Amino acid sequence: AQSVTQLGSHVSVSEGALVLLRCNYSSSVPPYLFWYVQYPNQGLQLLLKYTTGATLVKGINGFEAEFKKSETSFHLTKPSAHMSDAAEYFCAVTIYGNNRLAFGKGNQVVVIP
Amino acid sequence: DVKVTQSSRYLVKRTGEKVFLECVQDMDHENMFWYRQDPGLGLRLIYFSYDVKMKEKGDIPEGYSVSREKKERFSLILESASTNQTSMYLCASSLDSVNQPQHFGDGTRLSIL
Repeated sequence: AQSVTQLGSHVSVSEGALVLLRCNYSSSVPPYLFWYVQYPNQGLQLLLKYTTGATLVKGINGFEAEFKKSETSFHLTKPSAHMSDAAEYFCAVTIYGNNRLAFGKGNQVVVIP
Repeated sequence: DVKVTQSSRYLVKRTGEKVFLECVQDMDHENMFWYRQDPGLGLRLIYFSYDVKMKEKGDIPEGYSVSREKKERFSLILESASTNQTSMYLCASSLDSVNQPQHFGDGTRLSIL
């Protein structure tokens, strides 16, 4: 079965600094990978996804992620953090033929002014 | 835009009550999902449905059941509510294709007293 590991439940970043959230997946076949964001008192919103093709994926709000098969990773980055980026971020994985997503435990991002 | 609507944002019930959580989507999606979200545990799949009257157990189905009588509506039922079912419940829907993202409702925060 597929799984995702997100280390560090809470991540603090200074406003204007790089945001880096790490995601490592486990899958015996090529994965489909997603990053979701959850703002307070809301559901999850898709940030970006990787299915096939270009390994560097750009998403909404200036976020991007790079699929690295050799490292089984799909880390999320944003060059310059904004106060509005304070939220919880989830990485998720699935595979072809499976409609279920396996979610990581999430990273709560705090942006320090 | 896809709209997934959960009937209640906040709900308070008593131990032993039968509780219904309703979810409606407006995009003719085949797949619908129920998750619960707890701090430090991420999202855990309770049940999902890939067609009307079809359902499959997720990772934590014990104490729950579901109903899908119409394509747009997916109900989660707590047969006899217990305090350990106090949680945030999230509904999602997706097209029946593995690289299609899931779209989430805003969640129902359920408290069992």
